[in-house]
Amino acid sequence: DQQVKQNSPSLSVQEGRISILNCDYTNSMFDYFLWYKKYPAEGPTFLISISSIKDKNEDGRFTVFLNKSAKHLSLHIVPSQPGDSAVYFCAASSNNNDMRFGAGTRLTVKP
Amino acid sequence: NAGVMQNPRHLVRRRGQEARLRCSPMKGHSHVYWYRQLPEEGLKFMVYLQKENIIDESGMPKERFSAEFPKEGPSILRIQQVVRGDSAAYFCASSHRDRVIYGYTFGSGTRLTVV
Repeated sequence: DQQVKQNSPSLSVQEGRISILNCDYTNSMFDYFLWYKKYPAEGPTFLISISSIKDKNEDGRFTVFLNKSAKHLSLHIVPSQPGDSAVYFCAASSNNNDMRFGAGTRLTVKP
Repeated sequence: NAGVMQNPRHLVRRRGQEARLRCSPMKGHSHVYWYRQLPEEGLKFMVYLQKENIIDESGMPKERFSAEFPKEGPSILRIQQVVRGDSAAYFCASSHRDRVIYGYTFGSGTRLTVV
């Protein structure tokens, strides 16, 4: 069962513009959400997270927004840089249990 | 300060052989998680272990797959009698506290190819 969904397998944006990556979930028990970034031939690396008690968390160029009523979260990257080109995974957890990941979105930032 | 070390990076096995994947967690981390990434899919949780204990194996196939994290040495994910459908990237992650909110550190993965 796909509890975490990333419906866009790929996204292409111009350098300097905003990248918006989306994620939907079905399990209302999820209370913690994370974004991971993955380069080819490497493991995922933690990027940013948000607790369900918040609706926004910002870290430099990265901001995660959470809409609990819509069971939707998004990652905004602004301004986008070519080095941001990677696969981004959304992940969710309930009650501090193991993470469930989406299928990933491949972001390409063009110079 | 090495990160999570997985070896081998690439592993080729013939159908019916055994595959052993090793994971050494980050120094100070006592929690290990195994994930599998099938082609064109996301990461699927397999098993969560602490030293000498399997905490959650709800994502492990019931047959042919086993995992351990002994008191000494790396965690081992073992796949017996491999089939083509086992071909995937297997990622190990570790953390220094229980569960997710403190962040997992992932290794670079082992890419298993069954021929």
